[in-house]
Amino acid sequence: SQTIHQWPATLVQPVGSPLSLECTVEGTSNPNLYWYRQAAGRGLQLLFYSVGIGQISSEVPQNLSASRPQDRQFILSSKKLLLSDSGFYLCAWSVGTQYFGPGTRLTVL
Amino acid sequence: DAKTTQPTSMDCAEGRAANLPCNHSTISGNEYVYWYRQIHSQGPQYIIHGLKNNETNEMASLIITEDRKSSTLILPHATLRDTAVYYCIVSEDNAGNMLTFGGGTRLMVKP
Repeated sequence: SQTIHQWPATLVQPVGSPLSLECTVEGTSNPNLYWYRQAAGRGLQLLFYSVGIGQISSEVPQNLSASRPQDRQFILSSKKLLLSDSGFYLCAWSVGTQYFGPGTRLTVL
Repeated sequence: DAKTTQPTSMDCAEGRAANLPCNHSTISGNEYVYWYRQIHSQGPQYIIHGLKNNETNEMASLIITEDRKSSTLILPHATLRDTAVYYCIVSEDNAGNMLTFGGGTRLMVKP
């Protein structure tokens, strides 16, 4: 069966520090991969999606970037975090229906 | 513009059926209706989706009106663990690849 992993589960970072969140999927091949962000008390906002290795589409311009170095690995990065980057970051995958990971709660202080 | 309209919140008694409505009056012929739910501090969980026929699985039933302008998600015997935010999403992608989440309905199941 397919599983999706995200780490870390929680993260506290100072403003201006870099960020790297990782997502991996097991049990499937060539999935579409997604990064979403959910601000406190808000809905999900799609940040990036990828249909294959090295193929990234950005939905919202900001100081975040995404990379897909391997078929089942998706990384969300930032060179310098802002206070507004705080939120709940969710990775998802789909071959058919879209399924979500457990999320990373990021607090930028 | 939001493609779906849902009540902000609803209450349901434990053991009773929870009926969550969703309006999607501008839905087009090739768009599917998806339902997800998000329990506090967890990732969204897929529940069910359909095009025009009613659908049922081990979690819930989806009733879509004949004109497809609205639908209802039914949890037949709600439990306290069903307390969550329920999202109704319209997508023309049968694979659910492009989903736009709105505010959802916060369902509170009470003992």
